[in-house]
Amino acid sequence: ETGVTQTPRHLVMGMTNKKSLKCEQHLGHNAMYWYKQSAKKPLELMFVYSLEERVENNSVPSRFSPECPNSSHLFLHLHTLQPEDSALYLCASSQDPPGRERGKLFFGSGTQLSVL
Amino acid sequence: DAKTTQPTSMDCAEGRAANLPCNHSTISGNEYVYWYRQIHSQGPQYIIHGLKNNETNEMASLIITEDRKSSTLILPHATLRDTAVYYCIVRGGDYTGGFKTIFGAGTRLFVKA
Repeated sequence: ETGVTQTPRHLVMGMTNKKSLKCEQHLGHNAMYWYKQSAKKPLELMFVYSLEERVENNSVPSRFSPECPNSSHLFLHLHTLQPEDSALYLCASSQDPPGRERGKLFFGSGTQLSVL
Repeated sequence: DAKTTQPTSMDCAEGRAANLPCNHSTISGNEYVYWYRQIHSQGPQYIIHGLKNNETNEMASLIITEDRKSSTLILPHATLRDTAVYYCIVRGGDYTGGFKTIFGAGTRLFVKA
């Protein structure tokens, strides 16, 4: 148990659907992240939020829309996705600026997304 | 792009030490070396990190060369549950280092009985 909870664990959606991924951290951290991991590929950083403000948007298509309503919650809203968007979506949190934890990332278990 | 180079895969016998190398020749003075591992279909797990001194915790040891251009993660007594992809990452340790943590392809470690 890492203190970062992601729901749902699995999601199957059609290309015309709208769905949302949810992430919640119980660690008191102030930075949250979305990563994408396609099959047999390295993790790709998508978005970074610090103190509820987006500080990084790594050229992600607009069909992915992040939302960070407070420092404990992070959402990824999905609409009109493509089959190539099928991947494991991972949420992480950290305490930045680094103190004793020195910017360690704590990951959730991920949401395995399949787009049909 | 990731700032590190790691072998694609390695094998280790159960009960023996697993030594995973990492090259980071362009590391700058304020950047730390972090190690994570990822067991299939789970989120990566933090293992250890260091700046220039060797570090040890309950999971592993980290040996950093004096010039800081390379490091080695040591799992002292590998078990079958240590089979995973191991990522070596360089990241700034202060606020100006930014929030980016970039993962490369990592090393796939197979621990065999």
